Amino acid sequence: GAVVSQHPSWVICKSGTSVKIECRSLDFQATTMFWYRQFPKQSLMLMATSNEGSKATYEQGVEKDKFLINHASLTLSTLTVTSAHPEDSSFYICSARVQEGNYGYTFGSGTRLTVV
Amino acid sequence: DQQVKQNSPSLSVQEGRISILNCDYTNSMFDYFLWYKKYPAEGPTFLISISSIKDKNEDGRFTVFLNKSAKHLSLHIVPSQPGDSAVYFCAASENYIPTFGRGTSLIVHP
Repeated sequence: GAVVSQHPSWVICKSGTSVKIECRSLDFQATTMFWYRQFPKQSLMLMATSNEGSKATYEQGVEKDKFLINHASLTLSTLTVTSAHPEDSSFYICSARVQEGNYGYTFGSGTRLTVV
Repeated sequence: DQQVKQNSPSLSVQEGRISILNCDYTNSMFDYFLWYKKYPAEGPTFLISISSIKDKNEDGRFTVFLNKSAKHLSLHIVPSQPGDSAVYFCAASENYIPTFGRGTSLIVHP
């Protein structure tokens, strides 16, 4: 089945530094990738939708200059958290729509970001 | 305003019994509905889905029911197993973009 590989699975960084999270579709081409953020005991909140070769579409309230999304190829999308602060600590998950079959989405394994 | 609601944050069930997880939505434009299972510190994994033109979809122990008039769907797990213990997210999709509920934590006791 379709697999999305997400790295790193966890990262600890200092305030003010930047962190890059990668998501790769391993056996299919992901023209659209979704980036989510999940706080404890809360839902997956859509941050942005990225389409290969074009600018990402950000949800209301998400700072595009802080959360940089790049989708330069059909198999790779990256999320960079710039100038990270402790309040950015969260669980970030990417998802790709599997074009064939149905409306199903495949999720990455998630990245636990802790900013100290 | 939540468009997809899972009003029960948790559910506890005895092994072998039926687990019923509920989900309500408000947007009548949603045309596809999905259930995902999630373990801590992992990404969600797809479980089962249903199109808005159907009212039932079954896959092994998992059955999803859709009541469009009530804007309600439910996931039935029969029989429940301890390995089913996880957080279950309901998602509703419009134009291929899913909106997730907050999840229901299911605990199946041996």
